[in-house]
Amino acid sequence: AQKVTQAQTEISVVEKEDVTLDCVYETRDTTYYLFWYKQPPSGELVFLIRRNSFDEQNEISGRYSWNFQKSTSSFNFTITASQVVDSAVYFCALSEADNNNDMRFGAGTRLTVKP
Amino acid sequence: GAVVSQHPSRVICKSGTSVKIECRSLDFQATTMFWYRQFPKQSLMLMATSNEGSKATYEQGVEKDKFLINHASLTLSTLTVTSAHPEDSSFYICSATEVPGAVYEQYFGPGTRLTVT
Repeated sequence: AQKVTQAQTEISVVEKEDVTLDCVYETRDTTYYLFWYKQPPSGELVFLIRRNSFDEQNEISGRYSWNFQKSTSSFNFTITASQVVDSAVYFCALSEADNNNDMRFGAGTRLTVKP
Repeated sequence: GAVVSQHPSRVICKSGTSVKIECRSLDFQATTMFWYRQFPKQSLMLMATSNEGSKATYEQGVEKDKFLINHASLTLSTLTVTSAHPEDSSFYICSATEVPGAVYEQYFGPGTRLTVT
């Protein structure tokens, strides 16, 4: 069964620091998708990225970057030069291609960026 | 981009009453809609999956007689919490996809915060 582990429950940083949110996953499928979502205090989920298992290229989008490593089953998310507006709960999620109706979310990491 | 709305955004109801939450896809046809529940400081848990015109498929442990889901059109699904109790207080989030059953292509609504007093 698929599983997503976000070991960091809460992280607190000071503005302008870099921060990495860890995500480790388990799956038996060879085809799967990995996601990161941001959930600010308003509650609405904000989609950040989707990666399929055949695309191990790292991605950079502004201050955000993602490191996908199949060898360690990890899909880590780094925020560079963090800002107060980055404060939110971040969820990593996994869905297996053979199991379309099942997206498993990690427990989430609450990031607080202090001014 | 694909937009999913939910109504109401917040609702307070008394114990024993029923409450209906609407989920609408505004600019695409939602062949499949998903309903999630999120308790405070916890992750999202899938409650059920509904395909337009069909009965919803509920996850293990979710009472289908308590959480009634209707997906009668390609743009609207409703979740009715019947005989609500304080333990049903939660954040309910719907999502929708054009591709049948494709959870990897789902767009999330803004959520509905239900408080049962």
